[in-house]
Amino acid sequence: DAKTTQPPSMDCAEGRAANLPCNHSTISGNEYVYWYRQIHSQGPQYIIHGLKNNETNEMASLIITEDRKSSTLILPHATLRDTAVYYCIVRVRGGSGNTGKLIFGQGTTLQVKP
Amino acid sequence: GAVVSQHPSWVICKSGTSVKIECRSLDFQATTMFWYRQFPKQSLMLMATSNEGSKATYEQGVEKDKFLINHASLTLSTLTVTSAHPEDSSFYICSASGTGGALSNQPQHFGDGTRLSIL
Repeated sequence: DAKTTQPPSMDCAEGRAANLPCNHSTISGNEYVYWYRQIHSQGPQYIIHGLKNNETNEMASLIITEDRKSSTLILPHATLRDTAVYYCIVRVRGGSGNTGKLIFGQGTTLQVKP
Repeated sequence: GAVVSQHPSWVICKSGTSVKIECRSLDFQATTMFWYRQFPKQSLMLMATSNEGSKATYEQGVEKDKFLINHASLTLSTLTVTSAHPEDSSFYICSASGTGGALSNQPQHFGDGTRLSIL
C-alpha cells in the first residue's frame, strides 16, 4: 500500500506557483521522497526527490519538513503544460533485500487554468 | 540521459494471441527494470521486478505464467502477455534506474507505455 496521502485534486492559475502537499507520517529514516507526474496517456516523468534537505532543480522545488512527515512540491510558475497527475512516493533505498521499487498511490490531479 | 524506450506504443490483437512488449534503456545499463499496469482512471500498479540474468519477482496476485518476463541483457526487458483476453487490455509501462541501478537513490525513469487492446 502507498505510504503517502495527497489531495485528490487542485487548481492553479497559469503563471502562479503550484504548491502540492504530501503527507508521509510513517516515513522511515532510510526512505526518500520522490515526486513524479503523469500527463495523460504517457509514462510518469521524474520531477525531483529528497531525503531530508530541501531540493531544487530546473523543474521544481521540494520542501521537506524537519520531522520529515510531510513535504510540498512547488512548481514556481505553472503553465498549462503542467496539468497532470502528480505522485508523491516514499521509496526505500535499495539494498538489504529491497529492490527500490516504487508503489504509486492515487496522486493529485493538478489542473492549471488560464 | 536516462531514456527508456518502449515498443510498440500501441497494439490491437485478437483474443487468444500472445503479445510481446519491449523495454529498452537507451543510454544506460539497467540490472533491474520494473513493469506496471494501469487501467483507465486508476493509478499505476506494479506487476513485477525484472532482474537481468535471473527470474523476475512478481507482485502478489500477478500470474507469472500469464505475464512472462525476460531480462536477457542489461538494456532490454520484455513482457509477454500470453493468451491475451479482453480483460488484459490495459496500459503497460516499464521503468528502469540509471547509474547504481535500483539499489541506489537514483530515480527510475519510465517508458511512454504500451496501450494494449484485446478484441
